[in-house]
Amino acid sequence: EDQVTQSPEALRLQEGESSSLNCSYTVSGLRGLFWYRQDPGKGPEFLFTLYSAGEEKEKERLKATLTKKESFLHITAPKPEDSATYLCAVYGGATNKLIFGTGTLLAVQP
Amino acid sequence: DGGITQSPKYLFRKEGQNVTLSCEQNLNHDAMYWYRQDPGQGLRLIYYSQIVNDFQKGDIAEGYSVSREKKESFPLTVTSAQKNPTAFYLCASSRGLAGMTSSYNEQFFGPGTRLTVL
Repeated sequence: EDQVTQSPEALRLQEGESSSLNCSYTVSGLRGLFWYRQDPGKGPEFLFTLYSAGEEKEKERLKATLTKKESFLHITAPKPEDSATYLCAVYGGATNKLIFGTGTLLAVQP
Repeated sequence: DGGITQSPKYLFRKEGQNVTLSCEQNLNHDAMYWYRQDPGQGLRLIYYSQIVNDFQKGDIAEGYSVSREKKESFPLTVTSAQKNPTAFYLCASSRGLAGMTSSYNEQFFGPGTRLTVL
């Protein structure tokens, strides 16, 4: 069964304390792995798409990487405005649908 | 500005009522989607449409209906048959068809509608 698991469920960081969020997946025939940011009461905001193992993408303090089994979202020197829920989703498998993880709730304290 | 709009932002439904959630996009995207988000669960696909006048059931279609008469619009009706409709509903769109390995399958989301049953 196609599945996406995100860890940790919640993460609290001090401003400037770098860390990583994990997204592990099982899907046959990955056609894309997506990272989104979601603020409370709002729709997810698209961040990155990764298509193949070894691929990396960066945007400001965020860097996403991909292996054959998992993806990491690295947050370097986070600021309070980086606080949000980060969602991971994969596209592929037998259904050709986006399969979402349950997200990591990130809180960055000043 | 191109984007996806959803209305209303908040919606209250009485028992036995049907309600319709609006979703409009001006991104010229072919594919549109409806998801439901509940606390502690990943987004779940309700319906999707890859082209005008065609749509497919997702994983949790029971109690919902959709139409796709225009490329820009994909309204969702929550019927009285949906037993637990209280949730956050998200509409999304993408440039192209499912199954393509390209930016065509990147989905962009609207701001959401929160539906509460009274």
